[in-house]
Amino acid sequence: QSALTQPRSVSGSPGQSVTISCTGTSSDVGYYNSVSWYEQHPGKAPKLMIYDVTKRPSGVPDRFSGSKSGNTASLTISGLQAEDEADYYCSSYAGSYTLVFGGGTKLTVL
Amino acid sequence: EVQLLESGGGLVQPGGSLRLSCAASGFTFRSYAMSWVRQAPGKGLEWVSVIYAGGPATYYADSVKGRFTISRDNSKNTLYLQMSSLRVEDTAVYYCAKEAEQLLVRWFFDSWGQGTLVTVSS
Repeated sequence: QSALTQPRSVSGSPGQSVTISCTGTSSDVGYYNSVSWYEQHPGKAPKLMIYDVTKRPSGVPDRFSGSKSGNTASLTISGLQAEDEADYYCSSYAGSYTLVFGGGTKLTVL
Repeated sequence: EVQLLESGGGLVQPGGSLRLSCAASGFTFRSYAMSWVRQAPGKGLEWVSVIYAGGPATYYADSVKGRFTISRDNSKNTLYLQMSSLRVEDTAVYYCAKEAEQLLVRWFFDSWGQGTLVTVSS
């Protein structure tokens, strides 16, 4: 149950696009299409942004998109806005009825 | 509106025990699997445990297996986490989280509580 690997921080200017990677193994990200992404603002609970690799819950802007290639999943945020500044976490089903999260990425909007 | 309200956190000595509760409302509690997820101060999220909608099926992260017990009382719409043999490294905000789909465990959560802080220290 090792944590998925995310960059500690990324940044971008308003209107730009940023991509956050989430690297696992062939036993979790690479094997299951159960990758999710969460946004967390300071002092708040996480919010689901992407599930099943590419799907967006209702109410999540289409500026947020997900993808996967091999053992690495990615979250892309296009048209960056100031309110997107937050921590982002990926998660993946890891088999044997367990879930693993990434270490989190701090997004700074410059 | 879905609401999840955790309680029961506090300061406990290493080796001690604590029971967390999560009161649910706004949805058919008995139809959804529920998980506990924790976050150590300044750190990332860590999944702790899941209990299926029917109740008997439960699973744990290796870090808490044998020390924590998840349970639910569907008549009270309440989720529990009994924590024993607590360690300093169990210090965290503990969130309860609702599975997104009825009767299934799809491993993503569409609602979270506000969290309750557990501090393990002498």
